[in-house]
Amino acid sequence: GNSVTQMEGPVTLSEEAFLTINCTYTATGYPSLFWYVQYPGEGLQLLLKATKADDKGSNKGFEATYRKETTSFHLEKGSVQVSDSAVYFCALSDQGGGFKTIFGAGTRLFVKA
Amino acid sequence: DVKVTQSSRYLVKRTGEKVFLECVQDMDHENMFWYRQDPGLGLRLIYFSYDVKMKEKGDIPEGYSVSREKKERFSLILESASTNQTSMYLCATELYGRNSNQPQHFGDGTRLSIL
Repeated sequence: GNSVTQMEGPVTLSEEAFLTINCTYTATGYPSLFWYVQYPGEGLQLLLKATKADDKGSNKGFEATYRKETTSFHLEKGSVQVSDSAVYFCALSDQGGGFKTIFGAGTRLFVKA
Repeated sequence: DVKVTQSSRYLVKRTGEKVFLECVQDMDHENMFWYRQDPGLGLRLIYFSYDVKMKEKGDIPEGYSVSREKKERFSLILESASTNQTSMYLCATELYGRNSNQPQHFGDGTRLSIL
């Protein structure tokens, strides 16, 4: 079945450091891929998405590229801020999975000033 | 913007009580979902609904039921609450489409404690 694996946290960085959060997936079809962010005390919100191979999703300085050959969708940001401290979830939705969204376990990011 | 409202941010109930969690959305989305979120386990799907009066079991439906009498409202019911149902509960909505690229929209969650 479909699955999403993302790196365990927490990840602790200093402000202005480079961020990578790894995400790999297994899917039977051609999934759409998503990154969601959950700030403290809130629900999840969509950060970015990509719907086909080699697509790059981007938002708020974050980027992720849909790599079909490595079944990966790693999240990157060139210079993190304290306000980026949150939990990040990688997710996929696939027709072969009945369009149900499968979420990774989440990666908590702490950014120190 | 889609607004998904969960009736309570925090709730404390006792073992054996019947508990209702309510979720209301204002964007006419067909699909609605209930998840629970636990540390280290991510989000786990309890139930979902594709239409009024329709419901489908998710991955962990045991001990829960749902009701969708109106399109905008999706209720989660704990028939007889137990301590292992202490968790964060998240409601989400999604626009129906014949493709897989629709994102989900979440409420702020209900942190439920069963004593």
